Amino acid sequence: DAGVIQSPRHEVTEMGQEVTLRCKPISGHNSLFWYRQTMMRGLELLIYFNNNVPIDDSGMPEDRFSAKMPNASFSTLKIQPSEPRDSAVYFCASSLSIPYFGPGTRLTVL
Amino acid sequence: AQSVTQLDSQVPVFEEAPVELRCNYSSSVSVYLFWYVQYPNQGLQLLLKYLSGSTLVKGINGFEAEFNKSQTSFHLRKPSVHISDTAEYFCAVSGGSGGGADGLTFGKGTHLIIQP
Repeated sequence: DAGVIQSPRHEVTEMGQEVTLRCKPISGHNSLFWYRQTMMRGLELLIYFNNNVPIDDSGMPEDRFSAKMPNASFSTLKIQPSEPRDSAVYFCASSLSIPYFGPGTRLTVL
Repeated sequence: AQSVTQLDSQVPVFEEAPVELRCNYSSSVSVYLFWYVQYPNQGLQLLLKYLSGSTLVKGINGFEAEFNKSQTSFHLRKPSVHISDTAEYFCAVSGGSGGGADGLTFGKGTHLIIQP
């Protein structure tokens, strides 16, 4: 199995631009999670889906953040407009009973 | 609500010495506990997990952890560390239906530094 796949691995953008992060979960997993990692706040759960349905988005920091899971094989996390404080590593994880993490997307907003 | 406290932000250890990384949790429901390792510029790799059954859990790379319900702890141990164990270690907890469905709450992490 290829594991959780995230793209891009690195993203550098300017403040105000739209950013879209992508995730392909492990085949057969029915839960998908988006986490953010920063030095100040550590690892934070942003949102998670069960069977493609968003269950809890209370960790999404602002309305600028949105996430979708149109099917069992794909999810996106969008930031519009982006701000420098959004700079972080964003992880996607999928699970059937145990969460497995992707390699992350390192986002830098200038 | 759940929370995880990793008592040490950094632990220096000499190579081939034993190590213990401490983790305490709080939860109002039954818990499922995990340790993940993160090498520089990489994602999180599962080391071991406690879901039920034996309180002593063995994981990859020679690590083990013991679930202690009365002390609400899940400390990670290795009898002899290697230079390659240098990494960030995260303890995490999930309640309810387990980490499979409702996400993990992570501790702040412990940086394990192996000295030659």
